[in-house]
Amino acid sequence: EPEVTQTPSHQVTQMGQEVILRCVPISNHLYFYWYRQILGQKVEFLVSFYNNEISEKSEIFDDQFSVERPDGSNFTLKIRSTKLEDSAMYFCASRRGRNEQFFGPGTRLTVL
Amino acid sequence: GESVGLHLPTLSVQEGDNSIINCAYSNSASDYFIWYKQESGKGPQFIIDIRSNMDKRQGQRVTVLLNKTVKHLSLQIAATQPGDSAVYFCAESLAGGTSYGKLTFGQGTILTVHP
Repeated sequence: EPEVTQTPSHQVTQMGQEVILRCVPISNHLYFYWYRQILGQKVEFLVSFYNNEISEKSEIFDDQFSVERPDGSNFTLKIRSTKLEDSAMYFCASRRGRNEQFFGPGTRLTVL
Repeated sequence: GESVGLHLPTLSVQEGDNSIINCAYSNSASDYFIWYKQESGKGPQFIIDIRSNMDKRQGQRVTVLLNKTVKHLSLQIAATQPGDSAVYFCAESLAGGTSYGKLTFGQGTILTVHP
């Protein structure tokens, strides 16, 4: 069964460093999303991406964040200068059409 | 606005009992609702969805009920099993515009099933 994959599973970085979180969505899906979940809290929307551009972004998704689909298969989330409060689980999700979103297993980002 | 808390509601049941998990959603314009199950260290896993033109939908051992009048969603799990132990989130989505597909998640409920 096709699934969304994410790498790495755990990323530890120093405050101020850049990180890139990687996702491979399900191959025939057209809509892509990043969400984050701070420990013990609910999942929060960050950004949606369709047709090679951002469809919508949340207040969390400030200028330090960017997304890219560089090669038609990968979907990346870049945080330019990480802050302590960026520590969270980051989930990628994809959707084909008017139906369910499939989530990846997540990347745990720890900012020290 | 939505509340965010560190203390999730909990539900403890015995194996074989039926479970009911409730959720209040925030946006009356939402037309698509989903229940997700999240096990420790994993991503949300789709359970069942329902569109706003329905008030009930059944899956395998699960039923979702939607009451648009009071903006309430519930998930019923029949014959709950220890493997059902997880955090359950409801999520809502808008029909169209730039928000199409964006999921807004509820707070979550911890379900613990005792053998």
